[in-house]
Amino acid sequence: QQQVKQSPQSLIVQKGGISIINCAYENTAFDYFPWYQQFPGKGPALLIAIRPDVSEKKEGRFTISFNKSAKQFSLHIMDSQPGDSATYFCAANVPEYGGATNKLIFGTGTLLAVQP
Amino acid sequence: NAGVMQNPRHLVRRRGQEARLRCSPVKGHSHVYWYRQLPEEGLKFMVYLQKENIIDESGMPKERFSAEFPKEGPSILRIQQVVRGDSAAYFCASSPPFRDTQYFGPGTRLTVL
Repeated sequence: QQQVKQSPQSLIVQKGGISIINCAYENTAFDYFPWYQQFPGKGPALLIAIRPDVSEKKEGRFTISFNKSAKQFSLHIMDSQPGDSATYFCAANVPEYGGATNKLIFGTGTLLAVQP
Repeated sequence: NAGVMQNPRHLVRRRGQEARLRCSPVKGHSHVYWYRQLPEEGLKFMVYLQKENIIDESGMPKERFSAEFPKEGPSILRIQQVVRGDSAAYFCASSPPFRDTQYFGPGTRLTVL
C-alpha cells in the first residue's frame, strides 16, 4: 500500500528525443506527487509536482501526466538534453498529520542518460 | 537565501562509534524530515520533526537511532554504535508549515569502516 513503483530502472535517449518515466501507486490517500532530479553526489531537487485533481501539468520541457483511475503518473521530458542526464525519482505524499506534507514515499529511481 | 544546509558532507566512523549529522533548514521552515539513501536505491523516510516535537518516527530503526529538532539550533540525527550497514547518504529536507514542497539538502555521506 505504501509503495510507489517506478520504471524503467534506466533509460537511454538521444538528444532531442522524449524521455518518459512511469510510476504507479496503490494508496488512494496519496495527495501530492512530486518528481525530483538528482545528480551524482547532490541532494534531490524538486522538478515538478502535481495533485490528483489535475490530469496534466507542464513546466517548460517537463510534463507530468496523471491518471487517477489507473493510479499512474508519468514524467515526460521533451527535447531531452545531455544536461538532463541524472537520476529521477517520483514520490507520493502521505497526508497523516494535518500538515500539507508529512512524508514522501519515493520510487526506486530512473537513471537517465541523454546521448549527444 | 540559503537552502537546507547539512554538515558534515562526508563522515567516516569506525564500527561502534557515534555519528552526529546536522541539518539547518531553510530560514522560516519549521518542519524537518530525514531520509536515508542506500547505494543504488531510492530515498527512505526516517523521521518527521517540528520544532521540539517528533511527529513521525516510523521509519527510524528502533535502536541506536535518534533525532531532535530543538527550539534553537539545527536538527540532529544521531546514530550510536554504528555498524557497516549504516553506511549510506542521509538527506535532510525542510518545508514551511502547511506547504507541499520539501527542499532537500546536499546530504551527509556516512562511511562506516
